[in-house]
Amino acid sequence: NAGVTQTPKFRILKIGQSMTLQCTQDMNHNYMYWYRQDPGMGLKLIYYSVGAGITDKGEVPNGYNVSRSTTEDFPLRLELAAPSQTSVYFCASSYRGFTDTQYFGPGTRLTVL
Amino acid sequence: DQQVKQNSPSLSVQEGRISILNCDYTNSMFDYFLWYKKYPAEGPTFLISISSIKDKNEDGRFTVFLNKSAKHLSLHIVPSQPGDSAVYFCAARELGSRLTFGEGTQLTVNP
Repeated sequence: NAGVTQTPKFRILKIGQSMTLQCTQDMNHNYMYWYRQDPGMGLKLIYYSVGAGITDKGEVPNGYNVSRSTTEDFPLRLELAAPSQTSVYFCASSYRGFTDTQYFGPGTRLTVL
Repeated sequence: DQQVKQNSPSLSVQEGRISILNCDYTNSMFDYFLWYKKYPAEGPTFLISISSIKDKNEDGRFTVFLNKSAKHLSLHIVPSQPGDSAVYFCAARELGSRLTFGEGTQLTVNP
């Protein structure tokens, strides 16, 4: 059981570039989440999904897109990267909903210059 | 509007002593509270939780206390061990809604 895996671990983007952060879980969890963590701040929810084909916005969705075509994968797309998107991104999953224990991936550190 | 606040960015304690990490919240609709621990270059891992109908929950060396009237919760670690050195996040949830995280407290346990 690998749990939640994220790729890449690190990435540097130029302003205006785009990229996809990959997230995969092998626990057959229904719920998946994307968070960002800025220095000195708590984790903020970007998007979440309650199952394949269903996604919804979190607290800070602007500048991001997601899709959930399978139970296992939940990629996060950044279009037109901006310096404000410099952050550490965590993917997480849980079996049922927000109350269930969320299992986090190791994170992707993204810098936009 | 920071609904969950951890006012101490860092805490340093001696091995074997008690560590007390604090968290304050403003939303009286929060009904479930959690603590997560995070090591460098890893994702947060769940540590302990408490429902708003309780005022204490214990799991081994870790105890969470909830004071609803003061809108305050705390995490006690006794005895503290060097391996407990990590960033600790408190989080709160309003029924059916997302988790709201605090800023985190860096705990350092000195041998």
